[in-house]
Amino acid sequence: KAGVTQTPRYLIKTRGQQVTLSCSPISGHRSVSWYQQTPGQGLQFLFEYFSETQRNKGNFPGRFSGRQFSNSRSEMNVSTLELGDSALYLCASSLASGNEQFFGPGTRLTVL
Amino acid sequence: AQSVTQLGSHVSVSEGALVLLRCNYSSSVPPYLFWYVQYPNQGLQLLLKYTSAATLVKGINGFEAEFKKSETSFHLTKPSAHMSDAAEYFCAVSDQPYSGYALNFGKGTSLLVTP
Repeated sequence: KAGVTQTPRYLIKTRGQQVTLSCSPISGHRSVSWYQQTPGQGLQFLFEYFSETQRNKGNFPGRFSGRQFSNSRSEMNVSTLELGDSALYLCASSLASGNEQFFGPGTRLTVL
Repeated sequence: AQSVTQLGSHVSVSEGALVLLRCNYSSSVPPYLFWYVQYPNQGLQLLLKYTSAATLVKGINGFEAEFKKSETSFHLTKPSAHMSDAAEYFCAVSDQPYSGYALNFGKGTSLLVTP
């Protein structure tokens, strides 16, 4: 069974732009969570979607948003990029909310 | 809020030596604790989890961890380090019984294994 895939793997943007990251969960998984990983703040929870509904949200500004489609694929969007948004963005999927999460390889976002 | 603290951002051991990675938690309710490993350019892989069924938890790759309520600790150990164990290790806490959503991670410990 294929694992969690994230596209693109690497991305370079400039301040003020917006970006969309994509996550395809493991087949059959309905829950998708997003995390931001930076050297300074470590791993921080962004949000979690289940059956196209946001179930939980971390402490991030409204510039960070996400959505989930009927096939469980998820996207996260960051608008008006700031230098501090440079990070590895990890997506994790699970069968349902509260089940074991399986992580993808991440998308490395660099904001110049 | 529940949180974990990992003591030591870098740990170096010789191949064959004991691995000990420290994690202390802060929680007002019985916590659910996890250890994850991250290899370079990869996502996180679950090593083991504590969900109150047993205080000594065995995980993959020969790792185990012991939950000590009196010390609020959940240290990760492996009797004999292998070169392939070199990676970043994260302790995490959740109020869910599985490694579910809203995991709160520690800052991570980078394990170096020398020949």
